Amino acid sequence: GQNIDQPTEMTATEGAIVQINCTYQTSGFNGLFWYQQHAGEAPTFLSYNVLDGLEEKGRFSSFLSRSKGYSYLLLKELQMKDSASYLCAVLNNAGNMLTFGGGTRLMVKP
Amino acid sequence: DAGITQSPRHKVTETGTPVTLRCHQTENHRYMYWYRQDPGHGLRLIHYSYGVKDTDKGEVSDGYSVSRSKTEDFLLTLESATSSQTSVYFCAISEGLGYNSPLHFGNGTRLTVT
Repeated sequence: GQNIDQPTEMTATEGAIVQINCTYQTSGFNGLFWYQQHAGEAPTFLSYNVLDGLEEKGRFSSFLSRSKGYSYLLLKELQMKDSASYLCAVLNNAGNMLTFGGGTRLMVKP
Repeated sequence: DAGITQSPRHKVTETGTPVTLRCHQTENHRYMYWYRQDPGHGLRLIHYSYGVKDTDKGEVSDGYSVSRSKTEDFLLTLESATSSQTSVYFCAISEGLGYNSPLHFGNGTRLTVT
């Protein structure tokens, strides 16, 4: 079975740093994705981690610890446009199916 | 943007009627997926396809069927719509999931079953 947990909502201030956590308990693992979804729009790809450690991509970084079943998405220098839902998803062993967590709604305030 | 078109974008239908949603891609990707998104549940996989005429069930496949007769088209059918199928439906494509080929999503179809 698959169990992926994320906080439901978070609030942060413009210009600050925020960390969105994701924990997973899955029967198989072949990598973890993060997606961003603005209200009323389609999810868009942010990052993919398959090895332990930190992957940095501009203002966004993603971390993975496979032994702990844990990942986080780090957003730096927050901007108002970062207000969105952030979805964590685990790829199965066969590499053909993604299972998503419920998503974290981030509100950035001035 | 990945070339994915979903149609219709919005639909209202009555309980018990059949409904077909269409996903069309211009990327020639092998894998196509249908997800539904509901508050409190996130994105849940309904069915997916790994080639023409090759499909498999996801975690919430009951009440849904799919067909893929051409690489570019993936159809989702609700044989007899129920109110519990009111949702936003997303189609997604991939060449093979990983760093170089994440899922790319269409813009979604908002379906309301009255």
